[in-house]
Amino acid sequence: NAGVTQTPKFRILKIGQSMTLQCAQDMNHNYMYWYRQDPGMGLKLIYYSVGAGITDKGEVPNGYNVSRSTTEDFPLRLELAAPSQTSVYFCASRGGEANEQFFGPGTRLTVL
Amino acid sequence: LAKTTQPISMDSYEGQEVNITCSHNNIATNDYITWYQQFPSQGPRFIIQGYKTKVTNEVASLFIPADRKSSTLSLPRVSLSDTAVYYCLVGDIPFGNTGKLIFGQGTTLQVKP
Repeated sequence: NAGVTQTPKFRILKIGQSMTLQCAQDMNHNYMYWYRQDPGMGLKLIYYSVGAGITDKGEVPNGYNVSRSTTEDFPLRLELAAPSQTSVYFCASRGGEANEQFFGPGTRLTVL
Repeated sequence: LAKTTQPISMDSYEGQEVNITCSHNNIATNDYITWYQQFPSQGPRFIIQGYKTKVTNEVASLFIPADRKSSTLSLPRVSLSDTAVYYCLVGDIPFGNTGKLIFGQGTTLQVKP
């Protein structure tokens, strides 16, 4: 199993541009999550999904959109990128014996 | 999830045992205590989960007193590679009823030579 994969690893955006961060998991987990982590800070939940077709807002959803058309994929869309969205973005899925989260390697995004 | 309180940071030396305490006064009957570890530039990874008394695995031990209002993550004989941020989460996580999982600030453990 590849686990949770994220693409791209790094990206630089200009203010006002848009992009989609990709996340995929091959563990057949129903729950998936997007977090952002600013330097030296903890994780902030952006959006989460409890299954295909179902998404809900987390702590900091403004400026982002998500969709969940399949169990495997949970893309995060940034519209009109702003410098405040400069961060590392982590995707996670949840399952396993303890119903724990499995995190991807992260996408480092810089908005200039 | 129940509100949790952890120390912001801790220092230790190689070879020492480290205990990180998490307070969760409002823990509910169905709640479990789950700990994650995050190394720099990586996503968090699950290390241990428990409901009561003591749980031990190859990485750590988790001690939970009878009233369950706090818990202690114990790392035996730490090394430099244990330098990381440790997060405590409390909720009915094993049952999947809690969809919204929010991490606190965590405890930054710095292990010195």
